[in-house]
Amino acid sequence: ETGVTQTPRHLVMGMTNKKSLKCEQHLGHNAMYWYKQSAKKPLELMFVYSLEERVENNSVPSRFSPECPNSSHLFLHLHTLQPEDSALYLCASSQEGVPYEQYFGPGTRLTVT
Amino acid sequence: LAKTTQPISMDSYEGQEVNITCSHNNIATNDYITWYQQFPSQGPRFIIQGYKTKVTNEVASLFIPADRKSSTLSLPRVSLSDTAVYYCLVGDPGGTYKYIFGTGTRLKVLA
Repeated sequence: ETGVTQTPRHLVMGMTNKKSLKCEQHLGHNAMYWYKQSAKKPLELMFVYSLEERVENNSVPSRFSPECPNSSHLFLHLHTLQPEDSALYLCASSQEGVPYEQYFGPGTRLTVT
Repeated sequence: LAKTTQPISMDSYEGQEVNITCSHNNIATNDYITWYQQFPSQGPRFIIQGYKTKVTNEVASLFIPADRKSSTLSLPRVSLSDTAVYYCLVGDPGGTYKYIFGTGTRLKVLA
């Protein structure tokens, strides 16, 4: 238990669906991250929020839309996904000024059919 | 961002000390070196971080030579449960949130 929770843990969705992934951290951190991990590939940083402002956007397709309503919650809204978007989506948090020490959630295993 | 190079995989036996080396030739003055561990279907877990010389905690030791162009993660007396992927990351904590995980080193501990 890292203090970062993600829901749902597993998600199967069709290409025309709209769904959202949720992340919540209970560590008092103020930076939050979304990563994508595909099979046999390195983690890819998608988005970073610091103090609820987006500070990194790594050329992610617009079918992925992040939202950070407060420092404890982070969402990833999904729409019109492709099968190659199937992956493990990981959320992490860190303290402002300590970005190298990130605490990860267990991830959401997403399958796009 | 400094590029890192690690061995793709390593095998070891229970009870042995394991040393995983990471090369980061273009490390910048403000960069720190961080190591993470990842078990299958879980998020990575922070292990240790250092700037120079030696850092030790309850899990591992990190050795960084004076030129800082490489670093070595040392795991004492590994057990089967240490089988995981280990990532070396380099970055300036005051200058970036973007830490590149790379492909990591897949450590397999054998009985």
